[in-house]
Amino acid sequence: NAGVTQTPKFQVLKTGQSMTLQCAQDMNHEYMSWYRQDPGMGLRLIHYSVGAGITDQGEVPNGYNVSRSTTEDFPLRLLSAAPSQTSVYFCASSSTRPGTGVDYGYTFGSGTRLTVV
Amino acid sequence: SQQGEEDPQALSIQEGENATMNCSYKTSINNLQWYRQNSGRGLVHLILIRSNEREKHSGRLRVTLDTSKKSSSLLITASRAADTASYFCATDGTTGRRALTFGSGTRLQVQP
Repeated sequence: NAGVTQTPKFQVLKTGQSMTLQCAQDMNHEYMSWYRQDPGMGLRLIHYSVGAGITDQGEVPNGYNVSRSTTEDFPLRLLSAAPSQTSVYFCASSSTRPGTGVDYGYTFGSGTRLTVV
Repeated sequence: SQQGEEDPQALSIQEGENATMNCSYKTSINNLQWYRQNSGRGLVHLILIRSNEREKHSGRLRVTLDTSKKSSSLLITASRAADTASYFCATDGTTGRRALTFGSGTRLQVQP
């Protein structure tokens, strides 16, 4: 299994450009989420999804959009890139063991390092 | 905002010593998880403890949870140079949200 796959690994954007960060998982996980990590800090939640067709905002959603049309994919769109969005972006997925309510830990992708100039 | 603080922010020990990291959080939780991040890499899940559990072990890892104090600790016994990394606690299920809320992390350096 590939786990959680993020593309691209690196990206440089000019201010005002838009782009989509891709995230795909092959574990049939219902929960997916996007985080950003700024230097020397922990991760902050941008958006999350509890299943196909269901998304919600996290702590720092401004400037980002998401959609979840399938269980596998959870793309993150930057609408108009700003230097403040320079960061490393991580996608993660998880699930609950069926019939037990027991939660699993999250599997993270390897990240996308984004620079906005 | 971050869920809480981790203490200490940085820790340097010798190989073979134990490392203890503490984490505090602010709201009710489903579970609390610990992750390791090697420099420039993604996060790796280490251990999960549910809100109705008080202690959990996995190999050289021991996690405790005190929901009355909203705090957790991670103990790594007999540390190795390969344990050098940043360690983050994260809570899941905060206010019904199924996503992680992270602490600020502890940078652990294990000297050979």
